[in-house]
Amino acid sequence: QVQVVQSGAEVKKPGAAVKVSCKASGYTFTTYYMHWVRQAPGQGLEWMGIINPSGGGITYAQKFQGRVTMTRDTSASTVYMELSSLRSEDTAVYYCARDPNVETTGTFDYWGQGTLVTVSS
Amino acid sequence: QSVLTQPPSASGTPGQRVTISCSGSSSNIGTNTVNWYQQVPGTAPKLLIYSDDQRPSGVPDRFSGSKSGTSASLAISGLQSEDEAHYHCAAWDDSLNAVVFGAGTKLTVL
Repeated sequence: QVQVVQSGAEVKKPGAAVKVSCKASGYTFTTYYMHWVRQAPGQGLEWMGIINPSGGGITYAQKFQGRVTMTRDTSASTVYMELSSLRSEDTAVYYCARDPNVETTGTFDYWGQGTLVTVSS
Repeated sequence: QSVLTQPPSASGTPGQRVTISCSGSSSNIGTNTVNWYQQVPGTAPKLLIYSDDQRPSGVPDRFSGSKSGTSASLAISGLQSEDEAHYHCAAWDDSLNAVVFGAGTKLTVL
């Protein structure tokens, strides 16, 4: 069965960087795009970007351009999201989510369990 | 400020039918399909409706989606206590080149 498992919670100081991993199993990793979505405490969902595990093509949301880096390791069926220059407003639960479509439509059929990133001095 | 507009809250009694709206613009809902997610606090969102009105397997037919112009709606009939959750709408936005979400609607079953 399809599973998407993320790395554990992180506590970081302002100005630092965090790298979250997302390991997929139960399907051919390179067949489906993977997105990153975050949710600040008590807030709605916010899209951060998408990575193509096959060709490595990436699109970042404009808000995160220059601060976010998405990568993948096909041998480990894992995608990564690194966010740098952290500030308190980046405190959130970060999710990876699989896209079942060839064209991105905002459909995410499998989600990781979420990774809480806390930014605090 | 979310690109898609949802009411912050909705409520109903068991057995009732409730609807949740999602308003957008020509660059998102007006052109692209809408998806709905259910999120129980403390858990990851779950896909409820995709492509405006399609249900993934395992989602009860009590849940239905519709779209007209630049607005979409999620309807839940035969409301049950387990439906108490947050509901989020999402769509691709051609102008922003991004997936956009509503702020979410908290559904309370009275």
